[in-house]
Amino acid sequence: GEDVEQSLFLSVREGDSSVINCTYTDSSSTYLYWYKQEPGAGLQLLTYIFSNMDMKQDQRLTVLLNKKDKHLSLRIADTQTGDSAIYFCAENYDYKLSFGAGTTVTVRA
Amino acid sequence: DTAVSQTPKYLVTQMGNDKSIKCEQNLGHDTMYWYKQDSKKFLKIMFSYNNKELIINETVPNRFSPKSPDKAHLNLHINSLELGDSAVYFCASRERVGVSEQYFGPGTRLTVT
Repeated sequence: GEDVEQSLFLSVREGDSSVINCTYTDSSSTYLYWYKQEPGAGLQLLTYIFSNMDMKQDQRLTVLLNKKDKHLSLRIADTQTGDSAIYFCAENYDYKLSFGAGTTVTVRA
Repeated sequence: DTAVSQTPKYLVTQMGNDKSIKCEQNLGHDTMYWYKQDSKKFLKIMFSYNNKELIINETVPNRFSPKSPDKAHLNLHINSLELGDSAVYFCASRERVGVSEQYFGPGTRLTVT
């Protein structure tokens, strides 16, 4: 259950919504996460969702979880230039986090 | 206040050398981790310690040896460095196993020449 998959690139216009998708494999994952990594920086925990929830909203961020399909998404409303970064999906599996390859989000004016 | 800190931030060294990376967390967490991020940005766990005891040891060459002198510190020592060890190494901590938030340090960029 360590395969977490994400699309690699997303280009979005400033002010539009971004949606980043992720699929995971371990149905026993307790938590699923979104981390943000800006160039040359560490990983910033953006948000997470407990596996018994369907949705979590936190300001401009909305996380949707479909447990049946093992699908997780992150929606960023009103995308700004500061949102340009790599976004990692991760599942909590066997006491550790298993990460996807990251989605590089580019925000264009 | 930096929650999870690592030193050094950059490390350039030659093949065959031995080097250490240090990590400290001031969050009072019980569990600490080392992750490796390769040039393609792929992140993979290497080790985890819970209250100074090793609980996760992924398939990592035994040239890599973690040491936890106390639960606030988890250091990574690497012997006989190889070109393929070049990567960014991230330390992370968690209050305890099973708790939601895991916080990462700023990373140490290791370059082996």
